[in-house]
This record gives sequence, structure tokens and C-alpha cells, in this order.
Amino acid sequence: DTEVTQTPKHLVMGMTNKKSLKCEQHMGHRAMYWYKQKAKKPPELMFVYSYEKLSINESVPSRFSPECPNSSLLNLHLHALQPEDSALYLCASSGGQALQETQYFGPGTRLLVL
Amino acid sequence: ELKVEQNPLFLSMQEGKNYTIYCNYSTTSDRLYWYRQDPGKSLESLFVLLSNGAVKQEGRLMASLDTKARLSTLHITAAVHDLSATYFCAVGEYNDMRFGAGTRLTVKP
Repeated sequence: DTEVTQTPKHLVMGMTNKKSLKCEQHMGHRAMYWYKQKAKKPPELMFVYSYEKLSINESVPSRFSPECPNSSLLNLHLHALQPEDSALYLCASSGGQALQETQYFGPGTRLLVL
Repeated sequence: ELKVEQNPLFLSMQEGKNYTIYCNYSTTSDRLYWYRQDPGKSLESLFVLLSNGAVKQEGRLMASLDTKARLSTLHITAAVHDLSATYFCAVGEYNDMRFGAGTRLTVKP
């Protein structure tokens, strides 16, 4: 299985809502990532988990809260988002040490904040 | 700060022609990745280049890495319509991963 899955595919939320994005992989990868991609822009790294521990937080606002319940799952909890947070949120995973090998990306969750 | 510059940002090619996309970066990293993204889709890994002088080829695409010049190239040979997409290079460091702005490639008949 070489697939990274993400749910939901699309999400519309208000600024006062709380929602979660989910990501799953069964490739035995021990590094998982969250990226944010605005339209016509490159992906921007948000969080990196290595062996279920948060190793890098790219100074992302606290309204985004990552969680790695186990080596196959990665969540991104969203609270009090702003309209400018509307974007495609991509999950990825890789083998070995974090950021050392090629990353496999999920299909993404397209988020719209109203 | 790690910086990655790609050019050109837009590339319109005729089928059958050759062209090269350039990726310059600002660090001494020796890990360079190329990804493809189709409109509305996620990223697909194309190549991983892990050492100076590395060259990899897949079909009509060939990527190379010169760590001394801090330059990677993605060469397209005899372009076909199916290659139309956005191509990103990305550079990895111990604590960072940065993507170039992307090259939007359109191959016309």
C-alpha cells in the first residue's frame, strides 16, 4: 500500500467552528507532515512529526493544532480560523528520518473558511 | 534562510521540443526533490537527487544535481501534451523543506 489518505476531501467552516483534518498511511513511514498550499503557490511546511513526536513547528498560529495518535495517523485540529486560512491542506509521509527521503502526498483537504 | 528559486515560472512548449527548467537554492543541502502537480490534484514525486552529480531519468524527463553550483535542472525531451502540469523543485535541510515557486508547463500540439 503506497497511498496516503486524507479526509474530508472538502470542508467549509465558519470562523467559530472546530473541525479536524485526518491523514492515514500504511507504508510504515515514521515521518509525517502537514503542508498548506494556497492557490497557484507552492506548498508551505507547517508541521513535521518524526516517530510520533513533533519535531518542527514552523511558527504556525496556535489555531492549528497537530496530533499524531500513532505512527499511521496524523490529525490537524482547527479552531477559530480566519478566511485567509482557506487553502489546500496536504498531508505527506516519508521513510527514515524526517525530511531525508522523498515524501508521498495525500490528495489533500480543500478548506474554505467563511 | 533557505531559498529556492525556479525558472521559468511559465513555459509554453510545442510538442516534440526540448526544454530545461532550472532550480537554484541557497544552502549546501544535497537533497533535491522534483514533484509534479496537476491542476486541482496533489503532488506526485518524480525524482530524488541525493548527491553531487546525480542524474536520474524517467521517460522524457531527466533531472540532475550540481551541489557546488547549488543548481538542479529538469530537462524535458520531445515534449508531449501529457507532460502539461506544474513542476516544483524542493530542497530539504535538517529542519526545513522549501519548495520553488513552480513552473507551469503547457505543451501545445
